[in-house]
Amino acid sequence: AQKITQTQPGMFVQEKEAVTLDCTYDTSDQSYGLFWYKQPSSGEMIFLIYQGSYDEQNATEGRYSLNFQKARKSANLVISASQLGDSAMYFCAMRATNAGGTSYGKLTFGQGTILTVHP
Amino acid sequence: KAGVTQTPRYLIKTRGQQVTLSCSPISGHRSVSWYQQTPGQGLQFLFEYFSETQRNKGNFPGRFSGRQFSNSRSEMNVSTLELGDSALYLCASSNHFSGELFFGEGSRLTVL
Repeated sequence: AQKITQTQPGMFVQEKEAVTLDCTYDTSDQSYGLFWYKQPSSGEMIFLIYQGSYDEQNATEGRYSLNFQKARKSANLVISASQLGDSAMYFCAMRATNAGGTSYGKLTFGQGTILTVHP
Repeated sequence: KAGVTQTPRYLIKTRGQQVTLSCSPISGHRSVSWYQQTPGQGLQFLFEYFSETQRNKGNFPGRFSGRQFSNSRSEMNVSTLELGDSALYLCASSNHFSGELFFGEGSRLTVL
């Protein structure tokens, strides 16, 4: 079974500052992948970043980085230089993978964190 | 490269009717999965298809069904609609060999 916990229902950040969104997980899978998605009010689920459980380096994609701490079972998202357009709901999610890194099965989501960026 | 395309984007139905939603995955992606999003339950997994075969199924009643065609396009059907079926239905595709999973814009269903 998999479980994702996002303990911050809402976060506020000043434009151009960095913000960290927390995510902890629990799973019985030996191999898994961790995802972050952004969902603006329009509803589209936008893929931000992915981290495989066996990846040694933390994933980065532009202003997004994933702070992966396997022993602590945490996968926090760091957004640097926040922009007004970053205001949205953010979801952490996970999915099992096989030894070769192929994902399968359902994506388990957390409850989400609403991020508001102030000018 | 075109993203995941879902149609229709919005629809309104009445209780007892049935609805079919369509999803065209990213070109080359053979895995398609469906999710239901509601304010109360959050995001819940419906089913996953790969090469026209249902590989996994979530905990939804039999009124929810789906299929995948040889071109990887997928449809889901909900029969005998209930008020509680009102939700955003999201389709996601992946190439099954990388971890990344991409979503469409969703189909927002309202049941009156």
